[in-house]
Amino acid sequence: RKEVEQDPGPFNVPEGATVAFNCTYSNSASQSFFWYRQDCRKEPKLLMSVYSSGNEDGRFTAQLNRASQYISLLIRDSKLSDSATYLCVVNIPIFLTGNQFYFGTGTSLTVIP
Amino acid sequence: DTAVSQTPKYLVTQMGNDKSIKCEQNLGHDTMYWYKQDSKKFLKIMFSYNNKELIINETVPNRFSPKSPDKAHLNLHINSLELGDSAVYFCASSQRIGSSYNEQFFGPGTRLTVL
Repeated sequence: RKEVEQDPGPFNVPEGATVAFNCTYSNSASQSFFWYRQDCRKEPKLLMSVYSSGNEDGRFTAQLNRASQYISLLIRDSKLSDSATYLCVVNIPIFLTGNQFYFGTGTSLTVIP
Repeated sequence: DTAVSQTPKYLVTQMGNDKSIKCEQNLGHDTMYWYKQDSKKFLKIMFSYNNKELIINETVPNRFSPKSPDKAHLNLHINSLELGDSAVYFCASSQRIGSSYNEQFFGPGTRLTVL
């Protein structure tokens, strides 16, 4: 079983639409959670961390449900520039040795004019 | 003032050759990583180093060997390159455990093509 599961999509949505991505993780010891964005032929970049209380950054809202072990990302008022692959990332800290990060396979989003 | 840098950006080589990819971070992070992203776009961890000690060595062939001369550098050496090694290799770094949110910072990637 994969540590992190995501719907690969693709999601094709019109400009202005609201789109939601979900992600599930299998290890209850997971401590921190992130959404990364990866543009074509570029490196992944942090979009936002995901906090237990939920957090919002402009048009982006992230939620964490520890009981159900899933993470979500909501994008409101989609822009053409939001077209990218969105990666769900889970961190399991390992005592004295460091962090172990697990990536989902990514969800592809294309925003259509 | 690039945070994580990799060289070269592109690498085209013949099967059987030996090659190295270099990575440097100027963030003062304790942990560095190498990832492989294949044609299916799945990002797979290969190695991570914490203060020059190997932490994770996933099931990668021993033709791949990470080398860390100091905390700011983690190079990847590949022996006897095979066609299946063609992929994009990303270097990344993060702070050591101690902070709840240790996001990773990625280098721009090295696109390796083995002919």
